Amino acid sequence: GIQVEQSPPDLILQEGANSTLRCNFSDSVNNLQWFHQNPWGQLINLFYIPSGTKQNGRLSATTVATERYSLLYISSSQTTDSGVYFCAVPYQGGSEKLVFGKGTKLTVNP
Amino acid sequence: DAGITQSPRHKVTETGTPVTLRCHQTENHRYMYWYRQDPGHGLRLIHYSYGVKDTDKGEVSDGYSVSRSKTEDFLLTLESATSSQTSVYFCAIRGLYGYTFGSGTRLTVV
Repeated sequence: GIQVEQSPPDLILQEGANSTLRCNFSDSVNNLQWFHQNPWGQLINLFYIPSGTKQNGRLSATTVATERYSLLYISSSQTTDSGVYFCAVPYQGGSEKLVFGKGTKLTVNP
Repeated sequence: DAGITQSPRHKVTETGTPVTLRCHQTENHRYMYWYRQDPGHGLRLIHYSYGVKDTDKGEVSDGYSVSRSKTEDFLLTLESATSSQTSVYFCAIRGLYGYTFGSGTRLTVV
């Protein structure tokens, strides 16, 4: 099955800083999702982005499917952005099963 | 939570006892999933369903069974709980714009 790698595994920022999280995947995909797991454990769907760029407030994501990577940008970070960010792609082909990366743990200090 | 609830939220059970976790959705989605989340392993798929009475295994299905007798309910059963099944269990539904997760069930097997 497909492999998903996220980098960096850990990231510490000061409030107001910008950051870029990366997700590499080993095979062609027809969709990709980014999730945020907050410190209370809740998983929030941030983006459904098979290709191109999407923006939602201070967050934006870009997927370059032909080069098998996706980037999540966080601008003007806030303490509430802390948590773990996961990307997920279909297990194989058009599968309805998602495979998750191990995540990037983000800590934003005041 | 976009119409998805899990119950119970927390449970402590003894080794060898059967345990059933419930996932309920109010949005009539076809696909439902059970994942477990463990430190160092991220999110791993246990079982999923693609319709009433239609289910399939994920990557860590041993020791688990599922049932879906109604569109809105997807049950996960640990047939004889073991300490290795101590974990946080998440249910998810697949909507038009990706997955939505429930709040999770923290299960401890003692």
